[in-house]
Amino acid sequence: KNQVEQSPQSLIILEGKNCTLQCNYTVSPFSNLRWYKQDTGRGPVSLTIMTFSENTKSNGRYTATLDADTKQSSLHITASQLSDSASYICVVSDRGSTLGRLYFGRGTQLTVWP
Amino acid sequence: EADIYQTPRYLVIGTGKKITLECSQTMGHDKMYWYQQDPGMELHLIHYSYGVNSTEKGDLSSESTVSRIRTEHFPLTLESARPSHTSQYLCASSDTGTKDEQYFGPGTRLTVT
Repeated sequence: KNQVEQSPQSLIILEGKNCTLQCNYTVSPFSNLRWYKQDTGRGPVSLTIMTFSENTKSNGRYTATLDADTKQSSLHITASQLSDSASYICVVSDRGSTLGRLYFGRGTQLTVWP
Repeated sequence: EADIYQTPRYLVIGTGKKITLECSQTMGHDKMYWYQQDPGMELHLIHYSYGVNSTEKGDLSSESTVSRIRTEHFPLTLESARPSHTSQYLCASSDTGTKDEQYFGPGTRLTVT
């Protein structure tokens, strides 16, 4: 069964600190991996998308890494801000179907305290 | 920001009522999706559409139905709402050829009493 596991489930950090969120997946055949940010009561917003050949991708203070051999990804947030408080969702797409089905993790709930 | 809209944003309704959740996108995307998400849980695909007059059921069984008469519009209907339908419903769209990047609407929080 294709799965996406994220850790930690929740995380509290102080404003200005860095943090790293983890994602392990078993989806095969792999197409791409995305990180989304979902604010409470809102829809997810894409942060990064990486294909098999990409090891790292940055979007401002967000940097995602991908190790397709070990099927692991991380999202590093630098100099956290209060507005970073949200759920961060790892999403993996397979290429085994025309739809390019997405497999969602449950997310890491990040809280940034002042 | 994605041009995909959902109405209503919040809905509280009694058991047995018929409801329609609206979703519209102005990006001309051919594919559209409906997801269901409970608090702290992952998104589950309940319906998708490749284009006009094309609709398919997703991974999670749902008593809802959808229609795609126009490219930009993908409404979801529940004929008889039940408390078990209480959840957040998220609509998304994507354009074939852009890594199928899905853009999500803000969601509809449905509560059935």
